[in-house]
Amino acid sequence: DAGVIQSPRHEVTEMGQEVTLRCKPISGHDYLFWYRQTMMRGLELLIYFNNNVPIDDSGMPEDRFSAKMPNASFSTLKIQPSEPRDSAVYFCASSIQGDKLFFGSGTQLSVL
Amino acid sequence: EDQVTQSPEALRLQEGESSSLNCSYTVSGLRGLFWYRQDPGKGPEFLFTLYSAGEEKEKERLKATLTKKESFLHITAPKPEDSATYLCAVQAGSWGKLQFGAGTQVVVTP
Repeated sequence: DAGVIQSPRHEVTEMGQEVTLRCKPISGHDYLFWYRQTMMRGLELLIYFNNNVPIDDSGMPEDRFSAKMPNASFSTLKIQPSEPRDSAVYFCASSIQGDKLFFGSGTQLSVL
Repeated sequence: EDQVTQSPEALRLQEGESSSLNCSYTVSGLRGLFWYRQDPGKGPEFLFTLYSAGEEKEKERLKATLTKKESFLHITAPKPEDSATYLCAVQAGSWGKLQFGAGTQVVVTP
């Protein structure tokens, strides 16, 4: 099993640009999570899906952030427009029935 | 408001020097407490889930325990490869939603 796959691994962009992060969960998992990790705030849950349906997006910081899960094999997290304070590592994770989470390797986002 | 607090923030150990990490929590309706290990540049890796007070789980040199207000991760005779950040997380209310602590960074020197 390849595990949770995220792309890109690193993203450097300029303020105001649109950023799209991608995630392929583990096959058969019915929950998908997007987390953000910074030194100051640690790991924060942004949004999670169950069977492709968004369940809780209360952690999404602003309307600039949006997430979609068009099918069981793919999810995106989009930031438009991006700002320097969005710089962080973004993790995608998946699980079966909301139990233990399996994390991807993350996307290191730098907004200049 | 749910809170998860880990201590210490950092721990430096000599190889073979056993120690414990603490995770204290205040949540309503705990469903589970999770321990993860995170290496630099990688995502957190699942270690244990504990569901009820008194429960214990072991894996190699690691042992996790749970009471009604806190959990401990005991590292017995650590090796340099045990160096990592150890994260505690609680699941309360909704299945799936985990709240993480800030982590304890452990460095084990030969």
